[in-house]
Amino acid sequence: GAVVSQHPSWVICKSGTSVKIECRSLDFQATTMFWYRQFPKQSLMLMATSNEGSKATYEQGVEKDKFLINHASLTLSTLTVTSAHPEDSSFYICSAPDWGGRGDTQYFGPGTRLTVL
Amino acid sequence: GQSLEQPSEVTAVEGAIVQINCTYQTSGFYGLSWYQQHDGGAPTFLSYNGLDGLEETGRFSSFLSRSDSYGYLLLQELQMKDSASYFCAVHNQGGKLIFGQGTELSVKP
Repeated sequence: GAVVSQHPSWVICKSGTSVKIECRSLDFQATTMFWYRQFPKQSLMLMATSNEGSKATYEQGVEKDKFLINHASLTLSTLTVTSAHPEDSSFYICSAPDWGGRGDTQYFGPGTRLTVL
Repeated sequence: GQSLEQPSEVTAVEGAIVQINCTYQTSGFYGLSWYQQHDGGAPTFLSYNGLDGLEETGRFSSFLSRSDSYGYLLLQELQMKDSASYFCAVHNQGGKLIFGQGTELSVKP
């Protein structure tokens, strides 16, 4: 199946700093990618849709100025958590549908665990 | 609003069969998927139903009834490694997935 990678797999940062997370589709082109956040023992919450060549669309309640998304190419989307605070500590996961294959399947990256001190 | 309901936890023994139900209330329904997630890991795709009926993939089967806004995941011949969280997820327009709260499955010897 298709592969999606994320980097870094974990990151620890100080409060007030910014952190960039990369999501790459390795063997297919992804015009759309999705970013999710998951707190411990909770479900995955969709944060935003990353669109290649256009602005990301954010779900209700997600601050677009805090979570900057850039879909730089057909295989790369980045999420930057700006001025991170301890409450931003979470598991961030990206996914991409392989529209060229079975479009109903989404491939998830391995996730990035962010800890803000 | 959109909501999905699934049991929070289920316990079963090795070799048994377990069914995890999911009821949903959403707009723009395009299908129902099931994902497995082990502690600390990312979700892995198990099954998808776009139409009513049963889909079988090895030990796992999934069922959908669109008229009842209901689906289930059936796990047969349970193994210890099946202990994980299982999420149903509704496909919305544009490929968005809306996840249920997850069911934690514990498989006992």
